Amino acid sequence: ETGVTQTPRHLVMGMTNKKSLKCEQHLGHNAMYWYKQSAKKPLELMFVYNFKEQTENNSVPSRFSPECPNSSHLFLHLHTLQPEDSALYLCASSQDLGRVGNTIYFGEGSWLTVV
Amino acid sequence: DAKTTQPNSMESNEEEPVHLPCNHSTISGTDYIHWYRQLPSQGPEYVIHGLTSNVNNRMASLAIAEDRKSSTLILHRATLRDAAVYYCILRDYNNNDMRFGAGTRLTVKP
Repeated sequence: ETGVTQTPRHLVMGMTNKKSLKCEQHLGHNAMYWYKQSAKKPLELMFVYNFKEQTENNSVPSRFSPECPNSSHLFLHLHTLQPEDSALYLCASSQDLGRVGNTIYFGEGSWLTVV
Repeated sequence: DAKTTQPNSMESNEEEPVHLPCNHSTISGTDYIHWYRQLPSQGPEYVIHGLTSNVNNRMASLAIAEDRKSSTLILHRATLRDAAVYYCILRDYNNNDMRFGAGTRLTVKP
């Protein structure tokens, strides 16, 4: 138990569906992240939020839309995805940004399959 | 970002020490060396980090070469639960994100 909870753990969606991934952290952190892990590819940073403000978008297609209503919650809204978007989506948090010694805590991930 | 090079895979016997190498020849003076590991079906978890001096914690030790162009993660007594992918990551003092490579897949044999 890392203090970062992701739901759902598994999601199967069609290419025309709209779904959302949810992340909640119970650590009192101010920074939250979305990562994508595809088969046979390294983890890719997608988005970074600090105090609810997006500080980094790593050239992610607009079919992925993040939302951070408060420092404890992070969503990833999904619409018109492609089969190649099937991957493990990992949420993470850290105390804040700008301190390299910050440990980043990851959730267990949401396995997404696009059919 | 400075890159790291790790072997794709390594094997170890249970209860023996494991030395996981990482080369980072283009490391800059402000890069910290972080190690994370990812157990099967889980997200990555922090192991250890350092800048210049060797570091020890309850999970592992980190040995950093004097020129900082390489480092070694040391698991003193491998257990079956240590089987995971181990990532060596350089994190700039001013950079906020973590850039993961392919890592080393460690197999621990009973």
